[in-house]
Amino acid sequence: GAVVSQHPSWVICKSGTSVKIECRSLDFQATTMFWYRQFPKQSLMLMATSNEGSKATYEQGVEKDKFLINHASLTLSTLTVTSAHPEDSSFYICSARSGTGGVDTQYFGPGTRLTVL
Amino acid sequence: DQQVKQNSPSLSVQEGRISILNCDYTNSMFDYFLWYKKYPAEGPTFLISISSIKDKNEDGRFTVFLNKSAKHLSLHIVPSQPGDSAVYFCAASPNTGNQFYFGTGTSLTVIP
Repeated sequence: GAVVSQHPSWVICKSGTSVKIECRSLDFQATTMFWYRQFPKQSLMLMATSNEGSKATYEQGVEKDKFLINHASLTLSTLTVTSAHPEDSSFYICSARSGTGGVDTQYFGPGTRLTVL
Repeated sequence: DQQVKQNSPSLSVQEGRISILNCDYTNSMFDYFLWYKKYPAEGPTFLISISSIKDKNEDGRFTVFLNKSAKHLSLHIVPSQPGDSAVYFCAASPNTGNQFYFGTGTSLTVIP
């Protein structure tokens, strides 16, 4: 099946610094990518939807200036957590959907564990 | 506001028996539903889906049932196998391609 990678898989940073997480579709072109956040024992919460070459659409309650999303190409989307704080510590997961796929052809990356000290 | 709910955080089933995972939703605009399987520290893997025009979809050992009037869906796994042990998320979408809304997950343990 299709492969989506995330880098890094685990990152620890100091409070106040910025962290960039990459999401790549390895064997298909992803016209749409999604970013989710998962707290322990909770559901995956959709943060934003990004389409290649356009601005991301953020879900209600997600600060777009805090979580910068760039979908620069059909195989790469990045999420930058700016001025990270301990409450931003979470598991961030991206998913990618090809232009020809339906709802169930959304492929998830392995996730990135962010710990802010 | 949790629009998709999985009220059972965990479930244990004997190998060979049926596993039934339940999911409820509140948004009547949802018309596409999916089940995902997730292992620790990995991303979810798509398992099975159902459109609101159907009430049942079957794929091998996995069957999803949808009761639109009750806003309820369930995933049946039969026979259950130890390799099925994972966290199962149901998800719903209000349209044909974009965002999913996930439930909180049910951790299934299949006992050999």
